[in-house]
Amino acid sequence: DQQVKQNSPSLSVQEGRISILNCDYTNSMFDYFLWYKKYPAEGPTFLISISSIKDKNEDGRFTVFLNKSAKHLSLHIVPSQPGDSAVYFCAASHPNSGYALNFGKGTSLLVTP
Amino acid sequence: DVKVTQSSRYLVKRTGEKVFLECVQDMDHENMFWYRQDPGLGLRLIYFSYDVKMKEKGDIPEGYSVSREKKERFSLILESASTNQTSMYLCASSFFGAGGGEKLFFGSGTQLSVL
Repeated sequence: DQQVKQNSPSLSVQEGRISILNCDYTNSMFDYFLWYKKYPAEGPTFLISISSIKDKNEDGRFTVFLNKSAKHLSLHIVPSQPGDSAVYFCAASHPNSGYALNFGKGTSLLVTP
Repeated sequence: DVKVTQSSRYLVKRTGEKVFLECVQDMDHENMFWYRQDPGLGLRLIYFSYDVKMKEKGDIPEGYSVSREKKERFSLILESASTNQTSMYLCASSFFGAGGGEKLFFGSGTQLSVL
């Protein structure tokens, strides 16, 4: 049962524009959310996170928004750059998850020049 | 910088072979994990360990076992490899982040092909 869902397998955006990656979750116990970025043949790397007590967290070009009532979060990348082309995974954890993260299936972002 | 090292980048094995995937982390993290990544399925948790000699099943433990004899080392064992275990295997370690929640650090992955 997929508790973290990324319903868009792929997204294509022009360089300089905004990329918006979406993530939905079903478990109301989740209290911490993370985004990971993965290039081919490499392990995922941590990008940005947000606690459930916040609704926004910003780090440079990356901003994550959390809407708890809708059980929805989104990652905004502004401006998008070709080097941002990668697979982005949304992940979530809750206090009883035994330290493990639940991951979505990923969204492949392509930023075109 | 945290370093999580997986012993092999690419591995080719035959059906029925016993396969060992090794992972070492250098940050004294308590928690270590094994995930597999398959196209269209994302990252799925196989096993994790929160202390030496401790292990917990993840979402897809069937056909796998693990060993954690030392804090820095976490091994994934395929007792009898099968073709449906062809996948990218990712090891991770974690600490509890300052902002709350577990923050995982991943190795570069091992692409295993079972023929």
